[in-house]
Amino acid sequence: GAVVSQHPSRVICKSGTSVKIECRSLDFQATTMFWYRQFPKQSLMLMATSNEGSKATYEQGVEKDKFLINHASLTLSTLTVTSAHPEDSSFYICSASTGLGYEQYFGPGTRLTVT
Amino acid sequence: QKEVEQNSGPLSVPEGAIASLNCTYSDRGSQSFFWYRQYSGKSPELIMSIYSNGDKEDGRFTAQLNKASQYVSLLIRDSQPSDSATYLCAGGSQGNLIFGKGTKLSVKP
Repeated sequence: GAVVSQHPSRVICKSGTSVKIECRSLDFQATTMFWYRQFPKQSLMLMATSNEGSKATYEQGVEKDKFLINHASLTLSTLTVTSAHPEDSSFYICSASTGLGYEQYFGPGTRLTVT
Repeated sequence: QKEVEQNSGPLSVPEGAIASLNCTYSDRGSQSFFWYRQYSGKSPELIMSIYSNGDKEDGRFTAQLNKASQYVSLLIRDSQPSDSATYLCAGGSQGNLIFGKGTKLSVKP
């Protein structure tokens, strides 16, 4: 149980284009989903927290107009990186929580490369 | 600022030994604690959760929690090379998890 999927697993895009990443909880309803970014050999950095049907809460320093988050249902959240630039190249990981406890279940991650 | 502190390592142990990973947290309101394992290039995987003081065992893993000392630990018995990874400690408070930066464990054959 508690399986979270992400799609795509890898994406390469040109500078200036937008990329959408999907995060799905496959066998549970996720009241809260989280988006993280991780640069090579660095720790997880929380970007934003989203609750179903509500606007996402962004961490300080994360541009909400650049990283658009939608949590339209209890099983799906999307992260859109708009006008991507090479410095946005990173490993993007979502996680989901049932809300009953604090545990988060992570998706497999999406490796974004912007050329 | 709520923080979870871990020694970054690397912690190197020989195969078959006990690996001991430690974590301290600043927020006394934290109620739930978790250990995640992250292999290089992969996302974190939940391996242990602990909610009350004392020990919790699951296979080769034992989590220990001491709320008075604000201290959490993870023991890995009979360490295997496949246990080589970064271990993240996390504490739950007010609906969010605060993650430590992780301890890199290397188990040498």
